[in-house]
Amino acid sequence: AQSVTQLDSQVPVFEEAPVELRCNYSSSVSVYLFWYVQYPNQGLQLLLKYLSGSTLVKGINGFEAEFNKSQTSFHLRKPSVHISDTAEYFCAVSGPGGSEKLVFGKGTKLTVNP
Amino acid sequence: GAGVSQSPSNKVTEKGKDVELRCDPISGHTALYWYRQSLGQGLEFLIYFQGNSAPDKSGLPSDRFSAERTGGSVSTLTIQRTQQEDSAVYLCASSLQGITEAFFGQGTRLTVV
Repeated sequence: AQSVTQLDSQVPVFEEAPVELRCNYSSSVSVYLFWYVQYPNQGLQLLLKYLSGSTLVKGINGFEAEFNKSQTSFHLRKPSVHISDTAEYFCAVSGPGGSEKLVFGKGTKLTVNP
Repeated sequence: GAGVSQSPSNKVTEKGKDVELRCDPISGHTALYWYRQSLGQGLEFLIYFQGNSAPDKSGLPSDRFSAERTGGSVSTLTIQRTQQEDSAVYLCASSLQGITEAFFGQGTRLTVV
């Protein structure tokens, strides 16, 4: 069974600084990987996903993530954050082909300060 | 519909009462999930329906929790004899078979008093 660890529960940064939100997964088979974002008082929406192919995945709002199979990681990055990026970010993993449930990490609260 | 619809959006119930939470997935989506979101606990998986396969109930926290999906569409999550620790936001999501993206509803905020 898959599991996801998000190493940082809270990440405070200043506006225009770079940010990396860390995600490690545990699985014995190949996986699909996702990052979801939840803005204050809103529902979850997909930020980006890795299914196969290029290990560098680009998503919405300037975010990108890199799949590293040897390190079983899928860290999320943005070179310059905005106040509007303040939100909670969730990493998730599922088995290939949708054969297994989608499992989420506990989330990382990103706070961008002026 | 345009998205995943959950009802009610808010529910306050007395300890010991039963509650039913409803989820209308996106039309044509064969996979449906229920999650529970509590402060600081992330999204806790509850149950997963995929087409006609037997549901994955491995996340249900106790036998007070059950869910069904009728006709491969609407799903109902039932919590019997509610306890205060059941207070949380219950989220439903749906996706196409061979998951590429799960679409989430706005959730039902359950408060047990």
